[in-house]
Amino acid sequence: QQQVKQSPQSLIVQKGGISIINCAYENTAFDYFPWYQQFPGKGPALLIAIRPDVSEKKEGRFTISFNKSAKQFSLHIMDSQPGDSATYFCAAFSGAGSYQLTFGKGTKLSVIP
Amino acid sequence: KAGVTQTPRYLIKTRGQQVTLSCSPISGHRSVSWYQQTPGQGLQFLFEYFSETQRNKGNFPGRFSGRQFSNSRSEMNVSTLELGDSALYLCASSPQGNEQFFGPGTRLTVL
Repeated sequence: QQQVKQSPQSLIVQKGGISIINCAYENTAFDYFPWYQQFPGKGPALLIAIRPDVSEKKEGRFTISFNKSAKQFSLHIMDSQPGDSATYFCAAFSGAGSYQLTFGKGTKLSVIP
Repeated sequence: KAGVTQTPRYLIKTRGQQVTLSCSPISGHRSVSWYQQTPGQGLQFLFEYFSETQRNKGNFPGRFSGRQFSNSRSEMNVSTLELGDSALYLCASSPQGNEQFFGPGTRLTVL
């Protein structure tokens, strides 16, 4: 049972454009939603995270939008740059006895000049 | 602060052997989690330790085990290796459990 569904699988964006990646979850016990960025040969790096009592969080060019009623959240990358080309993972965490991150399948982002 | 370190970075083993991977968390972090990453299954949770206690274990066979020491360092062991165990094994540390910082991983190849 995939508890976090991520789309699209791959995304090509022009330099300067907006990249949007979406995730949906099922388990209402999730209480922390991070996004990770992973470059080839590296471990995932924590990018930005949000809790369900907040609808939006912005850090630099990265914004998380969160819709609790729809059980959906998304990552927006403004002014996308070639250096943003990587695989992005959404995840969800439940502290109520689970203590694990449940990951989406990932989105491979390519930003072309 | 130094990040999460994992050793070794690369490992080649044959079927039936066993392997031990090591993880040193960020100083002050008491939670260590392990994940398996494969192209087909993505990132899957193996187990989580907090102050030497396993708080949760993922859906993996008993051949996968782990432990955490009093200095928060952690090891995971895979016995009787199978071809399907070839993967990137990632360790993540956290102060409490949710905000997890990953190491570079150990690339295990089983021949």
